[in-house]
Amino acid sequence: GIQVEQSPPDLILQEGANSTLRCNFSDSVNNLQWFHQNPWGQLINLFYIPSGTKQNGRLSATTVATERYSLLYISSSQTTDSGVYFCAVEISGGSNYKLTFGKGTLLTVNP
Amino acid sequence: DTEVTQTPKHLVMGMTNKKSLKCEQHMGHRAMYWYKQKAKKPPELMFVYSYEKLSINESVPSRFSPECPNSSLLNLHLHALQPEDSALYLCASSHDGLRGSSYNSPLHFGNGTRLTVT
Repeated sequence: GIQVEQSPPDLILQEGANSTLRCNFSDSVNNLQWFHQNPWGQLINLFYIPSGTKQNGRLSATTVATERYSLLYISSSQTTDSGVYFCAVEISGGSNYKLTFGKGTLLTVNP
Repeated sequence: DTEVTQTPKHLVMGMTNKKSLKCEQHMGHRAMYWYKQKAKKPPELMFVYSYEKLSINESVPSRFSPECPNSSLLNLHLHALQPEDSALYLCASSHDGLRGSSYNSPLHFGNGTRLTVT
């Protein structure tokens, strides 16, 4: 099956710092999404971004489908940004509805 | 707040009990999902319903029995579970996109049910 690798696995920041999270995938995809899971377990959809660039406030994401990677940028980080960030992809022509999740990046933002 | 509502938030059950998890959404989504998440792991897909019909069963043991009574509701019936089934159970929904997939459709999760099997 498709491989989804996220880096770094862990990241510690001071409040106000910027960061870039990466998601590499091993096959062509027609669906790529970024999620944030807060310390209480709530999973929030941040971006649906199979290609191109999107921005939402301090967060932005870019997917270069031809090179099989996606980046999530967090600017001016806040303590509420702490949690696990997951990238999930659906393979082109593969099992419908099946998103494959990466192992996530655990982000800790210290005050 | 999430637009996908799950109840209960927490559940403790014995191995001989029968219980049900409930999920409801009113976004008009026609695809609904059950995921299981163990601590420090990503969510794992269990079941997918599309237009109230079971579309995917990821070889889940029969002690987990899904049900989709209508387009807004999704249940997960639990019976004779094992302690290793303790986990966070997440419901999700999405529009049913082109070619019967989640193509072009963000996934929306509920807050989950934390299940402990004793």
